Amino acid sequence: ETGVTQTPRHLVMGMTNKKSLKCEQHLGHNAMYWYKQSAKKPLELMFVYSLEERVENNSVPSRFSPECPNSSHLFLHLHTLQPEDSALYLCASSQEGHVDYEQYFGPGTRLTVT
Amino acid sequence: QKEVEQDPGPLSVPEGAIVSLNCTYSNSAFQYFMWYRQYSRKGPELLMYTYSSGNKEDGRFTAQVDKSSKYISLFIRDSQPSDSATYLCAMSGTDKLIFGTGTRLQVFP
Repeated sequence: ETGVTQTPRHLVMGMTNKKSLKCEQHLGHNAMYWYKQSAKKPLELMFVYSLEERVENNSVPSRFSPECPNSSHLFLHLHTLQPEDSALYLCASSQEGHVDYEQYFGPGTRLTVT
Repeated sequence: QKEVEQDPGPLSVPEGAIVSLNCTYSNSAFQYFMWYRQYSRKGPELLMYTYSSGNKEDGRFTAQVDKSSKYISLFIRDSQPSDSATYLCAMSGTDKLIFGTGTRLQVFP
C-alpha cells in the first residue's frame, strides 16, 4: 500500500447506527487530518492530530469522535448522525516542520446517512 | 466575506486550449499558495505549490501569485481531456489550510 488509504470507500448508515471510518498513511508523516467535503462548499477541516495529539477541533458536533492511536492511523467514530452529515470524508497527512501545508489526501469515504 | 473565493464553474474548453483558473482571497497574512487537482471519486492531489508572490512553472502548468491584488491563478497550456477534474486553490499563513470551493474543468476532444 502506498500513500493514504481509507476504508470503507462507501458507507450507508441509519441515524441510530454507530460506525467508524479508518485512515492509514504510509508516508512516514506525523500529522493527520479529517476533512468534510460537501457539494459546492470548501473543504471543511474537522480535526488535526500532530504527533498523535489533537491540536484542532473545529467546532465539530460530538457525534463525530476522532481517535489517533499512532502516527500512521486515524479513525473517525460516528454515532447518531443526521442526514446533513452525508458527505465525502477525506483523510490527509503531512510532515510537520517541513512544508506542512503539502497535505496528501486519501480517496475519501462517501457517507450517506438515511 | 469568504476568506477564499473561487468560481465553481463548470468551465468547458476544447482540447489544446489555454485554461485560466483563479482565486481571490481577503487575508493578507496568507503566504503559502497551493493548487490541488481532484478527479471524480478521488481525493485531492497537490499539483502546484508557491510561496509568496511570483510565478512557478511545471510542464504545462503555471501558478501565479499576486499578493498586492490578493489574486492567484493556475494556467494550463495545451489542455488535454485528462485534465478534466476539479481544481481547488488552497492557502495558508501560519495556520491551517483554507480551501476554495473548487472549479470544475471539462476538456472535450
